[in-house]
Formats: sequence, C-alpha cells, structure tokens
Amino acid sequence: QKEVEQNSGPLSVPEGAIASLNCTYSDRGSQSFFWYRQYSGKSPELIMFIYSNGDKEDGRFTAQLNKASQYVSLLIRDSQPSDSATYLCAVKAGKSTFGDGTTLTVKP
Amino acid sequence: DGGITQSPKYLFRKEGQNVTLSCEQNLNHDAMYWYRQDPGQGLRLIYYSQIVNDFQKGDIAEGYSVSREKKESFPLTVTSAQKNPTAFYLCASSILLDTSYGYTFGSGTRLTVV
Repeated sequence: QKEVEQNSGPLSVPEGAIASLNCTYSDRGSQSFFWYRQYSGKSPELIMFIYSNGDKEDGRFTAQLNKASQYVSLLIRDSQPSDSATYLCAVKAGKSTFGDGTTLTVKP
Repeated sequence: DGGITQSPKYLFRKEGQNVTLSCEQNLNHDAMYWYRQDPGQGLRLIYYSQIVNDFQKGDIAEGYSVSREKKESFPLTVTSAQKNPTAFYLCASSILLDTSYGYTFGSGTRLTVV
C-alpha cells in the first residue's frame, strides 16, 4: 500500500463546476497535510495546508481533513480553465511524502 | 526577492558521465531536499539535508550523491551508476521545526540521457 494515494484521474469538469480531489494516507500519526498545484512542465507550488479536522477555506479552495478516516480532500469551487493542472497531495512537514497527483482539466 | 534557483534548466548527459545539478536558496531555510519526478508520477525523495555538513538518503538515493557545505547550497550529482537518470529533478527547501510550513520549490532541471 502506498503511503499517500490519490484518485488516479484524469478529472474533467466544466467551467463553473466544483472539482473534488481526494487523498488517503496510511500513517495514522501524520499531523500536517498539504496540497500543491503543478502546471504542465512547471514545478509544484503550495496552495493549501491543513492540520485540524474539518474544513479550511481560502478563496475558491477548501481543504477538508478527516483524521479518523485518514482522508484529505481539496474542493475547487467555480472552477476556471486556469485551474487545469495536476494537484499533488503531500503528507508531513519536512521530508514530505507525495501522492502521484490528479490531473484536472476544466473545460470552457 | 527570496527564492530557490536551480540550474541548468535543461541538461543532457552522455552514457557513463557524471553531471551536477545546482540548487541555491536565499530564504534562510534550514532544510533542503532533492526529488525526482517521472512522467505521470509523483515526487520521489532522493536526498535531504537539515543542517550544514549533514544529509540523509531518501527512498531512491542509489546512483546519486549530494553535499551541503553551505546553508544556501545543496548540489546533486547524478553519477554513472544511475542507469535511468532521465527525469525532472526538483530542489525544495523548508523551515525546520515548523509543521505548518510546506515546501518552496525551484523551477527544476530536466535531465535527458543522450
């Protein structure tokens, strides 16, 4: 079992819809969870961090964490074509373990 | 502006040749990391360093070597022992002991064997 698993994708949504990206992790002791966005051919950039159970909102992005289920998700509301990218889930601060990513395409 | 600089952006390696990828940061971060990314895959950790003159192997260290002689610099050497080095190499840094701090990445080096 991989330490961090994400929906294999690709995920395609129409412009204006909600995109839902999911991630599960195996280490029950993990405390910190991150979402990175990676445009094609570019390096990842940090977009969200969460460590408490529940929801954390930042603009159109909402991260959700459920430690009991070992589950992290990222919701993108009002999806835009500029959101088209690969989204990487990472667990732990320092020496992070990454999932393989989910590629999102937002169609105009 | 603070950030991480990786060079070169593209690198071509001949069979049997060692090559060195540069990574410099001016963020005053303690920790630095090297990851490898293959097409359609996530990031795999090669080496990391939390303090000058000390570094640890990651999951795929075979065929690679690093040094950390200065806080700002963490070069990666891809040796001839690495049989399949073609990949996208990413250097990152972070603040140690801050569990809310994620990574800042450099722009990456794309290495191709010719």
